[in-house]
Amino acid sequence: QKEVEQDPGPLSVPEGAIVSLNCTYSNSAFQYFMWYRQYSRKGPELLMYTYSSGNKEDGRFTAQVDKSSKYISLFIRDSQPSDSATYLCAMSDRGSTLGRLYFGRGTQLTVWP
Amino acid sequence: EAGVVQSPRYKIIEKKQPVAFWCNPISGHNTLYWYLQNLGQGPELLIRYENEEAVDDSQLPKDRFSAERLKGVDSTLKIQPAELGDSAVYLCASSQTIGTHEQFFGPGTRLTVL
Repeated sequence: QKEVEQDPGPLSVPEGAIVSLNCTYSNSAFQYFMWYRQYSRKGPELLMYTYSSGNKEDGRFTAQVDKSSKYISLFIRDSQPSDSATYLCAMSDRGSTLGRLYFGRGTQLTVWP
Repeated sequence: EAGVVQSPRYKIIEKKQPVAFWCNPISGHNTLYWYLQNLGQGPELLIRYENEEAVDDSQLPKDRFSAERLKGVDSTLKIQPAELGDSAVYLCASSQTIGTHEQFFGPGTRLTVL
């Protein structure tokens, strides 16, 4: 069993839909949780970062962490075709610059007009 | 500000041949990472450098892979000899050592071993 599990999809939604992406993990030491977005033929770019449990909102994006369930989510409101990409969750036990990042396999999202 | 630069972007070689990838991190970033990304998978860390020092290379297959960052700036990852299973995207990332949790990724080098 991998330390981070993520449904690869693919997920296809119409423009304007609310998208829910999620990951589960097994290592209770993880405290730092991130979502990266990766466009085709590009490197991942950091979208959201949260520490420990709770919610964090940034524009149309909301990240949630439930450490008791070892479950993290990313919500995208009013999805746009430009949101079409692969979304990777990542986590670490000591922060991404101090500890190793463990990535999920990514969920491929397509938002059609 | 220039991002992480990697070259080449694409490389096709025959098995048993050597190959090398080059990475230039963002200026001022002391930490450099090499990741391997297989198709449909997330990146997996191969090696991490703090300046010139490799501080985490436990995932690097040392029988065929090697890396260096001689002056604490750009870095080279080498595979010798390459195997069919090495076909993947090799990503380089960099970050500031203190005060940030963000890693900045380059576009990657897509390796195909025939």
